[in-house]
Amino acid sequence: KNQVEQSPQSLIILEGKNCTLQCNYTVSPFSNLRWYKQDTGRGPVSLTIMTFSENTKSNGRYTATLDADTKQSSLHITASQLSDSASYICVVRGGTTDSWGKLQFGAGTQVVVTP
Amino acid sequence: NAGVTQTPKFQVLKTGQSMTLQCAQDMNHEYMSWYRQDPGMGLRLIHYSVGAGITDQGEVPNGYNVSRSTTEDFPLRLLSAAPSQTSVYFCASSYTSTSGSGSYNEQFFGPGTRLTVL
Repeated sequence: KNQVEQSPQSLIILEGKNCTLQCNYTVSPFSNLRWYKQDTGRGPVSLTIMTFSENTKSNGRYTATLDADTKQSSLHITASQLSDSASYICVVRGGTTDSWGKLQFGAGTQVVVTP
Repeated sequence: NAGVTQTPKFQVLKTGQSMTLQCAQDMNHEYMSWYRQDPGMGLRLIHYSVGAGITDQGEVPNGYNVSRSTTEDFPLRLLSAAPSQTSVYFCASSYTSTSGSGSYNEQFFGPGTRLTVL
């Protein structure tokens, strides 16, 4: 069973609207969580990285939240643009402050922004 | 900086053929890795390297070999291609970043190689 589950699998939103993507994980112990954006035919690009002590981080119109107690994260896209059409991947790294565990990748949420 | 480069972008092989996927980075990162991405699944780690001369297996290493003779290059070899190896392959390099909230591994991905095995 995948230790990182994302929802929804896909969504379609109108340009200018907001949306929120969810990520639930079971990785323990937890080191950090990151969100990547992957455009079609390209490699993933990092949007945010949060350690266990951070509960929110923004990158332009992207805001990620983290609740390490409930093992949930969300990525909020504000005022969506056509260029936001992409797959958004949640990635969790296990481990401790002394050693890193491996990265666990979610399957991604495919976002389509329509005019 | 070119970042992480991969060649070729596309490749079609017949079952049983061998080939090498090339990966290079110009950021002087010690850590490099290979992933495969299949529909409906997260990226899966094939092999990784923590420095020149050091490689180790990831989650799905069977059918693949790697070597790391220099910091810059990390080629992935398919020994005898099988249809199950049809996938998109991504190479990544990374470095350790430290901030007030802790340290983490910042990872940069290449553009990918789409491989089809007939």
